Amino acid sequence: DIQMTQSPSSLSASVGDRVTITCRASQSITRYLNWYQQKPGRAPKLLIYASSFLQSGVPSRFSGSGSGTDFTLTISSLQPEDFATYYCQESDNDTFGGGTKVEMK
Amino acid sequence: QVQLQESGPGLVKPSETLSLTCTISGVSITNYHWSWIRQPAGKGLEWIGRIYTSGRTNYNLSLKSRVTMSEDTSTNQFSLRLTSVTAADTAVYYCARDVGYFDNSGYSGYFDLWGRGTLVSVSS
Repeated sequence: DIQMTQSPSSLSASVGDRVTITCRASQSITRYLNWYQQKPGRAPKLLIYASSFLQSGVPSRFSGSGSGTDFTLTISSLQPEDFATYYCQESDNDTFGGGTKVEMK
Repeated sequence: QVQLQESGPGLVKPSETLSLTCTISGVSITNYHWSWIRQPAGKGLEWIGRIYTSGRTNYNLSLKSRVTMSEDTSTNQFSLRLTSVTAADTAVYYCARDVGYFDNSGYSGYFDLWGRGTLVSVSS
């Protein structure tokens, strides 16, 4: 089975900061790598699919990159509504990463 | 507007069967694949299984022996059955629309629309 490791598990940042979250797969991903945002008490929301494609309606400050085993989600300028937990997910086996909680500094 | 709504008992006794239904509105169930995903309190997400437009199913290997998914095109619903539940099955259960495609190497997809989730507790 593919293991997905996100880092960091949590981070503190301020509004306006550039934030980068990493997702590393235990073996090369041959299919999609997706990113989701989840706020407390809410369902996850798709941000990025197939590593770098922005889901419709998602602000352009979110971007994704990577291939093989290493992927990143970047928020170019953190906004107040972006404080949340972020998950990566690979579609070879539909495994999710452990999550990265973005908190206010 | 497409919406998904989970429904089912919020409390299930250990060793019994958990049964949930996802009601889809705004789109035909036959147009997409559909998945169940769960999340224990304070923990991460776990994919449970998928039902394809063909009616074929695919399950998480760790749950495969206990999971059955089915669909009812007449009511635009799909369902989850999880047998022999234990406290470890206590979680928020989400249904989700599964957008993807098959090629020679398999299936590639993502979950673009989710229900609000329903909490199922396993306790006597």
